[in-house]
Amino acid sequence: DAGITQSPRHKVTETGTPVTLRCHQTENHRYMYWYRQDPGHGLRLIHYSYGVKDTDKGEVSDGYSVSRSKTEDFLLTLESATSSQTSVYFCAITEGYPGPQETQYFGPGTRLLVL
Amino acid sequence: DAKTTQPTSMDCAEGRAANLPCNHSTISGNEYVYWYRQIHSQGPQYIIHGLKNNETNEMASLIITEDRKSSTLILPHATLRDTAVYYCIVISGTSYGKLTFGQGTILTVHP
Repeated sequence: DAGITQSPRHKVTETGTPVTLRCHQTENHRYMYWYRQDPGHGLRLIHYSYGVKDTDKGEVSDGYSVSRSKTEDFLLTLESATSSQTSVYFCAITEGYPGPQETQYFGPGTRLLVL
Repeated sequence: DAKTTQPTSMDCAEGRAANLPCNHSTISGNEYVYWYRQIHSQGPQYIIHGLKNNETNEMASLIITEDRKSSTLILPHATLRDTAVYYCIVISGTSYGKLTFGQGTILTVHP
């Protein structure tokens, strides 16, 4: 447990509405990540952050934006939710620079259903 | 990063050793083998990783073949709580933390 919480844990929303998911960590780790997990696709990186106000795109970033105004919080926003964004979303951190020996620790996930 | 191949599913009796294989025949010299697992409805959990040598920690052992083209994760005394999906992935220095999980192996531990 690396002190990672995600909120909300479950959310049902309608197509076209904005949604923001929050990832909170208590240990001031610099690197944070947002993934989505879907059957048949495994885990895919959406966006990541390497510091306050420093973010970059991952493999499946279209339709998502992120913000990191303080070290402990990494927000994922779906500006206008679509049914294809129904998924389980995981936040993760690395304790140090994400080199090949750096383990990622994951949060408990947020289940999002877009109707 | 090198691609990995794992069996879709495996069964194991409680108390016995679970041996989960992974093929990574295209692995290059600076790439590490990592194992994560995901218990139903939870986030992925790190288990162990290695480069060349065999590794052991409180959760498992990792055996990497001499040519590094395959590895085996060993859970020495499987319990029902070890029922999960196990992911073998290869990470290089250029991964910068961007993990990609495939389908993994569904391990079911039976009483």
